[in-house]
Amino acid sequence: ETGVTQSPTHLIKTRGQQVTLRCSSQSGHNTVSWYQQALGQGPQFIFQYYREEENGRGNFPPRFSGLQFPNYSSELNVNALELDDSALYLCASSSGLSGAGVSPLHFGNGTRLTVT
Amino acid sequence: DQQVKQNSPSLSVQEGRISILNCDYTNSMFDYFLWYKKYPAEGPTFLISISSIKDKNEDGRFTVFLNKSAKHLSLHIVPSQPGDSAVYFCAASAKQGAQKLVFGQGTRLTINP
Repeated sequence: ETGVTQSPTHLIKTRGQQVTLRCSSQSGHNTVSWYQQALGQGPQFIFQYYREEENGRGNFPPRFSGLQFPNYSSELNVNALELDDSALYLCASSSGLSGAGVSPLHFGNGTRLTVT
Repeated sequence: DQQVKQNSPSLSVQEGRISILNCDYTNSMFDYFLWYKKYPAEGPTFLISISSIKDKNEDGRFTVFLNKSAKHLSLHIVPSQPGDSAVYFCAASAKQGAQKLVFGQGTRLTINP
């Protein structure tokens, strides 16, 4: 069973630039979500995707956007980068939206983004 | 507004003893609670969960207790082992299987030989 994989592992960008982070869901999982983890904090929910549609969003501005592809892989795009966007970005997948027996979220190892 | 709080940033426990990690929440709509463990340079790994209809769930050395009236949950690890040294996150959601989890700030657990 292949786990959640993310690329790249590290990235350095300049303020104002745009960035795309990528995620491959765990085999058999059709739901993906993205989290931002700032230093010393717990992960914060950005948004989730199910069947290629955004299906829930946290308190993040519209310059954070995403895509989910037919093979359930996903991208996180951040435009007009700010210094405070420096964080670990985590992708997570699961096998469905709700119901008994649904597996908990499985996380990838994250992408460390540094904005200078 | 921190809806899930872990008030102890760090905890140090001797190998073989019990580790108790605590978590408080404020949102009454939370219905499902999870604990994740995180090693450096890795993503969080699911450890154990509990539904609000239960007050205890046990899995091997790990037990989670839920006190709904106090809006408090705890994770007990016994006996503690050196490999348990990690950051532990408490998380809550409005329903089982929800993608949106609200996490606490984490507690760094160190198990001393």
